[in-house]
Amino acid sequence: GESVGLHLPTLSVQEGDNSIINCAYSNSASDYFIWYKQESGKGPQFIIDIRSNMDKRQGQRVTVLLNKTVKHLSLQIAATQPGDSAVYFCAENTGNQFYFGTGTSLTVIP
Amino acid sequence: DAGITQSPRYKITETGRQVTLMCHQTWSHSYMFWYRQDLGHGLRLIYYSAAADITDKGEVPDGYVVSRSKTENFPLTLESATRSQTSVYFCASSVAGPDEQFFGPGTRLTVL
Repeated sequence: GESVGLHLPTLSVQEGDNSIINCAYSNSASDYFIWYKQESGKGPQFIIDIRSNMDKRQGQRVTVLLNKTVKHLSLQIAATQPGDSAVYFCAENTGNQFYFGTGTSLTVIP
Repeated sequence: DAGITQSPRYKITETGRQVTLMCHQTWSHSYMFWYRQDLGHGLRLIYYSAAADITDKGEVPDGYVVSRSKTENFPLTLESATRSQTSVYFCASSVAGPDEQFFGPGTRLTVL
């Protein structure tokens, strides 16, 4: 899966299926994490965040899971739609700086 | 609601020239950031600013200069552009440091 350093470049899913994008982060002191979505030619857009005192957070059709023991973050998208096709980045925060992963490209097959 | 804007959107320059990329936000956010995005590296922080007249280095600051005389503006200057600075540059702002960042549309810079 994606990491701040390594990445799973592409993920293809059928429309209506659930998507899971993974991210391994490196700094055990990181206390805040964000998932961003980036469409072609645009800047990253906030999807959901989670702080280190939580294991799970849900939004509209999205869920973020945080496993601090193995320094792993995942983004789950329910009932994936064509509009979800984009590159997804995880970002970890240490102090006032964010460190971004290299991204996972999600393609939704109609 | 203009949000956060960047100019120019596209720029071609030559090695050794000075280039300034502009960033403007209308939210009065305290924090502003400059990132570069390159294939295989994702987004990397160049500089950030916690408030007017306060700036700090990020992960890849060499070759770049920033200033923040006004809360709403955060220009990034390449004093002597190099080919390795060919990239897409994103400006972002946030209310606080560890907080959701709002990104501009990006500036695609090519250094010949």
